[in-house]
Amino acid sequence: DTGVSQDPRHKITKRGQNVTFRCDPISEHNRLYWYRQTLGQGPEFLTYFQNEAQLEKSRLLSDRFSAERPKGSFSTLEIQRTEQGDSAMYLCASSVAGASTSYEQYFGPGTRLTVT
Amino acid sequence: AQTVTQSQPEMSVQEAETVTLSCTYDTSENNYYLFWYKQPPSRQMILVIRQEAYKQQNATENRFSVNFQKAAKSFSLKISDSQLGDTAMYFCAFMKPFINNDMRFGAGTRLTVKP
Repeated sequence: DTGVSQDPRHKITKRGQNVTFRCDPISEHNRLYWYRQTLGQGPEFLTYFQNEAQLEKSRLLSDRFSAERPKGSFSTLEIQRTEQGDSAMYLCASSVAGASTSYEQYFGPGTRLTVT
Repeated sequence: AQTVTQSQPEMSVQEAETVTLSCTYDTSENNYYLFWYKQPPSRQMILVIRQEAYKQQNATENRFSVNFQKAAKSFSLKISDSQLGDTAMYFCAFMKPFINNDMRFGAGTRLTVKP
């Protein structure tokens, strides 16, 4: 078990470009979460999946943000037409639904996005 | 909406001493979970300790313990025998399970353990 992994770790992009981040959860975890963390703040929940179903997406920041988990394994978070305000750390977490500890989320190292 | 407040942006403690980090939250729910997460510099967030609201007994994990006061909506973290490796950002978090499982985090407390 290598834990939650995220790729890339750092991304620098120009305003207006599209970016996509990938998250690979812990292998037996069927729940996957995306958060955004800005400097000096705690993580902010964006969306979550159980298997391939996106069960909550109302907290995505705008329609420029979208997430997928097509086969119930890895997930991608896409930001279209990036803005400077999108600069932040994007965190992924995973957990196991149905277990006694299903509320425990394990976090990845994050992808730091800088929009210039 | 649930909110989590950490009123201490920064704290410091001498190695081997004890420190308490404060957290308050606002909710009308009766069943929920509370967590403390640690985020070391440039490293990923890890779970330190959790508390189920229906449990009256305060959770403990080795040197870490909580003081959970449900009526006061307070959830403080006590770190005993502080070690240099405890230097990190500490986040208090609230989760209402079985709905959308999103966690609400406080703004964090930066703890520095001094040698």
